[in-house]
Amino acid sequence: DSGVTQTPKHLITATGQRVTLRCSPRSGDLSVYWYQQSLDQGLQFLIQYYNGEERAKGNILERFSAQQFPDLHSELNLSSLELGDSALYFCASSPSFSGGRLGETQYFGPGTRLLVL
Amino acid sequence: DQQVKQNSPSLSVQEGRISILNCDYTNSMFDYFLWYKKYPAEGPTFLISISSIKDKNEDGRFTVFLNKSAKHLSLHIVPSQPGDSAVYFCAASSRYGGSQGNLIFGKGTKLSVKP
Repeated sequence: DSGVTQTPKHLITATGQRVTLRCSPRSGDLSVYWYQQSLDQGLQFLIQYYNGEERAKGNILERFSAQQFPDLHSELNLSSLELGDSALYFCASSPSFSGGRLGETQYFGPGTRLLVL
Repeated sequence: DQQVKQNSPSLSVQEGRISILNCDYTNSMFDYFLWYKKYPAEGPTFLISISSIKDKNEDGRFTVFLNKSAKHLSLHIVPSQPGDSAVYFCAASSRYGGSQGNLIFGKGTKLSVKP
């Protein structure tokens, strides 16, 4: 158990809809990262928040947004969903803002499997 | 444009033998490399890492080798055990610039260790 929790585990929705994925980081971790893993793809970095502020952006679509709240939990909002958004979405956390720099380890949650029909 | 490549989608090894998982990268600015292991229905878990100033790092049965000139790293598991059966992801990062400071992952190699 990494200490990172994600809800829900599974989500089935229809095209055009909006969903919210939730992540609680490990106790004491200030950074939260979101990744997307599509079929046969590696994990694609979407966005990082550090202590409530956006820190880095990766391949995140404009239809997607995220935020980190004062209690450090984070939400990833996916809107106008398309079939191609079906994927595993992982949240990870780390103690500081360095991301992968200097080799800081990121601890991953179990993921949310999103299916868009 | 894949900056981190794991060209073998799968690998099958006999229990007790050595497993060698390979990873190639294209970005010479990468200065830290990590391996993650992933079981089904779980998130990736950190396994071992190596800084670009080293060419080898060892942790128990796991050893990572880095060949900077070839932009290649490998993970050796000796001896392999059935519990090692999982998907292994190679990841890289650079201390320089924007989102490149975050982890760039390969597509993974599925290791099957047969009893």
